[in-house]
Amino acid sequence: NAGVTQTPKFRILKIGQSMTLQCTQDMNHNYMYWYRQDPGMGLKLIYYSVGAGITDKGEVPNGYNVSRSTTEDFPLRLELAAPSQTSVYFCASSYDGSSGNTIYFGEGSWLTVV
Amino acid sequence: GQNIDQPTEMTATEGAIVQINCTYQTSGFNGLFWYQQHAGEAPTFLSYNVLDGLEEKGRFSSFLSRSKGYSYLLLKELQMKDSASYLCALMDSNYQLIWGAGTKLIIKP
Repeated sequence: NAGVTQTPKFRILKIGQSMTLQCTQDMNHNYMYWYRQDPGMGLKLIYYSVGAGITDKGEVPNGYNVSRSTTEDFPLRLELAAPSQTSVYFCASSYDGSSGNTIYFGEGSWLTVV
Repeated sequence: GQNIDQPTEMTATEGAIVQINCTYQTSGFNGLFWYQQHAGEAPTFLSYNVLDGLEEKGRFSSFLSRSKGYSYLLLKELQMKDSASYLCALMDSNYQLIWGAGTKLIIKP
């Protein structure tokens, strides 16, 4: 029962490097999300997708890019890593975005930019 | 605008009852969620309220008053494993979730 799987779990990047956080879900969910969580702060939405081929910006999209070529996969790309992007990243999915639909989270990716 | 407030940290004793409050301001409302998050782990769903009143699920209950912009999560018969952060999240008129910063609950023996 995999649910939402994201990789890597931990990563240290140097300033200016790029990387992709991978996310896949096997629940046939239409909606997928990327959040970041900083200490003492609520989850902030980076990007979301309502279906394959459709993506949209969330609250804090700057410095990130996403794609949704399949229903299952929703990778998050950091092009030029900056120290401000040091955070915990969570991928999540839900069947749709309607009221009451539970969001399921991946286990998180701890990213440090030095 | 939208805003969610919940206490930063609370302490309670094993076996006791604790109530974690969440207040919010929003122009549109499509429900309120509570999630539990253990340190170093992902949030997991606890409850959802869209109508006023109390929803009970075993040791956990969640209450909502839309007119007061207020919700609480009630945890009974506290166990050490309940030590975690509890996140309140509001679903706004665009069906986007707005998350509170979370309440860290510390359970003492």
